Amino acid sequence: DTGVTQSPTHLIKTRGQQVTLRCSPISGHKSVSWYQQVLGQGPQFIFQYYEKEERGRGNFPDRFSARQFPNYSSELNVNALLLGDSALYLCASSFGGSPSGANVLTFGAGSRLTVL
Amino acid sequence: QQQVKQSPQSLIVQKGGISIINCAYENTAFDYFPWYQQFPGKGPALLIAIRPDVSEKKEGRFTISFNKSAKQFSLHIMDSQPGDSATYFCAAKQTSGSRLTFGEGTQLTVNP
Repeated sequence: DTGVTQSPTHLIKTRGQQVTLRCSPISGHKSVSWYQQVLGQGPQFIFQYYEKEERGRGNFPDRFSARQFPNYSSELNVNALLLGDSALYLCASSFGGSPSGANVLTFGAGSRLTVL
Repeated sequence: QQQVKQSPQSLIVQKGGISIINCAYENTAFDYFPWYQQFPGKGPALLIAIRPDVSEKKEGRFTISFNKSAKQFSLHIMDSQPGDSATYFCAAKQTSGSRLTFGEGTQLTVNP
């Protein structure tokens, strides 16, 4: 059983550039969420998509955007990168839209973004 | 806005000892409280979770204690092992919501 897969695993960008991160959920899962984890802190919610529709948005600027495709995979885009965007970006999937109980939220290993 | 406060920031325990990590929350709309374990280079993995209608849940060596009136919950790791050395995060979710709000994490080191 393949878990949540994310790509790329590591990437380095410079300020002002744009980045696209990709996520493939566990087979059968219809919900994908994105979290940002700054070094030494807990993950912060960015977006959730369920059945290709945005279900939730965290307190992040409009430079952050995402989408979910018909096969339930997802992309996170960040424009005009800032030094403070350096973080581990985690994708998580679940079968249903509200993670709880049997509807476990499963995380991928993340994409580590460094902005110079 | 920090809605889930976690302590301690770091914890060192001897093998066989009990590790205790505490969390406190403010939002009474939270109705699901999971604990995640994260190893270096990996994403967080669900360890154990509880709903506020029970005061304790045990799975193997891991126990969650929940105090609804105090708005606090804690993770107890019995017979701690070096393999338990990791970062632990408590989290909370609102009723019908989709996002998890995480604490800041506790780095646990279990010495052999």
